Amino acid sequence: EDKVVQSPLSLVVHEGDTVTLNCSYEVTNFRSLLWYKQEKKAPTFLFMLTSSGIEKKSGRLSSILDKKELFSILNITATQTGDSAIYLCAVEEYGNKLVFGAGTILRVKS
Amino acid sequence: DGGITQSPKYLFRKEGQNVTLSCEQNLNHDAMYWYRQDPGQGLRLIYYSQIVNDFQKGDIAEGYSVSREKKESFPLTVTSAQKNPTAFYLCAVGRQSDTQYFGPGTRLTVL
Repeated sequence: EDKVVQSPLSLVVHEGDTVTLNCSYEVTNFRSLLWYKQEKKAPTFLFMLTSSGIEKKSGRLSSILDKKELFSILNITATQTGDSAIYLCAVEEYGNKLVFGAGTILRVKS
Repeated sequence: DGGITQSPKYLFRKEGQNVTLSCEQNLNHDAMYWYRQDPGQGLRLIYYSQIVNDFQKGDIAEGYSVSREKKESFPLTVTSAQKNPTAFYLCAVGRQSDTQYFGPGTRLTVL
């Protein structure tokens, strides 16, 4: 059965800390891995990763994929209270189906 | 968001009632999806549709039904056969080689 596992399930840090969120996967027909940020409502897209070893960056956020070891990490540097959210990892299979992990709840304290 | 609307935002239902959740998009995307989100769990796929007049079951389709009569619309009906319908329901749209974009969601509560 296809599965996506995220760790940790929840995390509390102080402003300015750096955090690393993990996502491992086992899927049959891997096409890409996606990271989303979910605050109160709809998940918003962060990154799509298709190739191993190529880091994607957007401001203080960055992510990388390892297709050999079947995992991805999402890094957030100099965290701010506005980074508090649920971070979702999903793997896209051929046919555009997404398999989601349970998410990591991040809380950044001021 | 930004072209995907879901209504209503909150919905209350008595046990034994069917309810229909609306999802409309003006992004001209072919594919539309329905997910369910429960506390402590990720999103789980209920149904998806790659093209008008065609749809497939996802991982947890039991107790739900959908239709895709128009490209813009993909309504989800939660039937009385769904044993635990209280959840947050998210609609998404997408196309080949692109990510999925989510609507604002509908929170359904069964009283």
